[in-house]
Amino acid sequence: DVHLLESGGGLVQPGGSLRLSCAASELTFGSFAVAWVRQAPGQGLEWVSTISADTTSAYYADSVKGRFTISRDNSKKTLFLQMNSLRAEDTAVYYCAVPPDISVAGRGVYGHWGQGTLVTVSS
Amino acid sequence: DIVMTQSPDSLAVSLGERATINCKSSQSVLFSSNNRDYLAWYQQKPGQPPKLLIYWASTRASGVPDRFSGSGSGADFTLTISSLQAEDVAVYYCQHYYSAPYIFGQGTRLDIK
Repeated sequence: DVHLLESGGGLVQPGGSLRLSCAASELTFGSFAVAWVRQAPGQGLEWVSTISADTTSAYYADSVKGRFTISRDNSKKTLFLQMNSLRAEDTAVYYCAVPPDISVAGRGVYGHWGQGTLVTVSS
Repeated sequence: DIVMTQSPDSLAVSLGERATINCKSSQSVLFSSNNRDYLAWYQQKPGQPPKLLIYWASTRASGVPDRFSGSGSGADFTLTISSLQAEDVAVYYCQHYYSAPYIFGQGTRLDIK
């Protein structure tokens, strides 16, 4: 089974930066497009960003475009999210997510999720 | 962007009864070249990450009980729980994955009546 472990969350001031990481246990991590999805306190799910398996393509929600950068290191089975110019509205639990099986490896449907890491943006 | 709208926002159903949640997309998520609907359903319980229930609009994910079923095509979809169990109390989300951004619906809260 796939295990995903996010880290790097915490309290940061508005305008600050954080870098989230997600370590995957699955040996075939490098075959899947992977994503970050966030959830503000008491709110619904918001897709944030996706990166292709070969790193050639990355997509972002309008709310984070130009401020967040997704990247991955397939040799270390790790996904990253560099978050700059953070705002109060970026406060959320950030989940990394992976497609459920190889038949949807490049798709934006997520069958494996980490437990999430909390990012709080506040002065 | 394709916007997803769920109805109702919340509902309460008696144990053993049927629960139905609807999801409408602002444009079709049916890809004509493979005749597949790029639509998924998730369940989220308090304090837990979401769990994938259904993808391709009607394919149950691994380990999902067969009381959960998905139907619909194009821009109108339904998640049905045929006989509600206590452990099904949760918030349910639909999501399209037709093209980025992969938008989620606002969620439907399901409780026991």
